[in-house]
Amino acid sequence: DAGVTQSPTHLIKTRGQQVTLRCSPKSGHDTVSWYQQALGQGPQFIFQYYEEEERQRGNFPDRFSGHQFPNYSSELNVNALLLGDSALYLCASSLVEASYEQYFGPGTRLTVT
Amino acid sequence: GDSVTQMEGPVTLSEEAFLTINCTYTATGYPSLFWYVQYPGEGLQLLLKATKADDKGSNKGFEATYRKETTSFHLEKGSVQVSDSAVYFCALKGFQKLVFGTGTRLLVSP
Repeated sequence: DAGVTQSPTHLIKTRGQQVTLRCSPKSGHDTVSWYQQALGQGPQFIFQYYEEEERQRGNFPDRFSGHQFPNYSSELNVNALLLGDSALYLCASSLVEASYEQYFGPGTRLTVT
Repeated sequence: GDSVTQMEGPVTLSEEAFLTINCTYTATGYPSLFWYVQYPGEGLQLLLKATKADDKGSNKGFEATYRKETTSFHLEKGSVQVSDSAVYFCALKGFQKLVFGTGTRLLVSP
């Protein structure tokens, strides 16, 4: 049973560029949440997707957007990258009726130079 | 808003020592509480959880009791191993999201 997978593992981008991160949820899960983990900090909630719609959003600017596909996989897009966007981006999947029990992927390490 | 406060690290222990990592929370009502562990280069793994007051979560020798009187959920282990070296995060269930503390790094030496 495959767990949550994310791609790519590492990414280096330049300020002002755009980036897309991808996530495949654990088999059977229908809900995907994204978190940003800055170095030395705890994960911060970005948003959550269910049935291809954004259900809830944290305190992140509109430069951060997402998408969920019919197969429940998800993408996180960040436009106009800033140096402060450098972080580990974590995807977590769950069942909508048990959204508190989230399973995390290994993350994508984004470095903005 | 909801928040979680953890003791700052690093916590440095010798193998077989007793571990306590403090965690307190601020929230409306009595949210479910969690401990996650993050090993180097990996994502977060759920270690244990408690869904209501006075519940005790336990896993792999780790325990934490949900204390509503003190709004705390301290993590304990009677005898740590080198393999327990990791970053530990306390979290609570907010509205459709998890709210995490800043994490506590545990270093266990042989």
